[in-house]
Amino acid sequence: NAGVMQNPRHLVRRRGQEARLRCSPMKGHSHVYWYRQLPEEGLKFMVYLQKENIIDESGMPKERFSAEFPKEGPSILRIQQVVRGDSAAYFCASSPDPPAANSPLHFGNGTRLTVT
Amino acid sequence: KNQVEQSPQSLIILEGKNCTLQCNYTVSPFSNLRWYKQDTGRGPVSLTIMTFSENTKSNGRYTATLDADTKQSSLHITASQLSDSASYICVVSEGYSSASKIIFGSGTRLSIRP
Repeated sequence: NAGVMQNPRHLVRRRGQEARLRCSPMKGHSHVYWYRQLPEEGLKFMVYLQKENIIDESGMPKERFSAEFPKEGPSILRIQQVVRGDSAAYFCASSPDPPAANSPLHFGNGTRLTVT
Repeated sequence: KNQVEQSPQSLIILEGKNCTLQCNYTVSPFSNLRWYKQDTGRGPVSLTIMTFSENTKSNGRYTATLDADTKQSSLHITASQLSDSASYICVVSEGYSSASKIIFGSGTRLSIRP
């Protein structure tokens, strides 16, 4: 049973380009979370999705950022017109149950985005 | 405001020694509390999950405690090893519905010296 798969592992974009980060949750998991982490800092919540629905996007910047989790295929975090401040590690986690249930979050190993 | 505070921010101990990391939270209503270990460059890995009714849970050399009355948790590491060098993150779930939130602490960075 493969774990949470994120790709690419490293992504370099020039300012103004688009970045697409992919996350394939564990088999049977319908809950996906995206987090952002700056060097030497903790994980910051961005968005929580359940198949085809955004449940909580309170941590997502209002502009340039969007996320989806379609019925088929991976979850995508999309950053349009990237700026240097978007450089960070982006982690995806999945779970078979909602947050209140006693199921652990399973994390991928992240995508490291560098904006030049 | 729902918050999770961890202390110390960083800690250095010698290999073989024990240590205890602290987590205080103000999250309400409380669902569960989890401890994660994050190695450098990797995603966090779950160590323990505790609900309101549990006050201790072990995973090998890791033992977590929970005092739901004082809203405090600790993670005790016994006979530390070099591979224990990592960030340890306390995570609290708030609420009981499908829209409940998961709140992360900023972590304690632990370094084990030989």
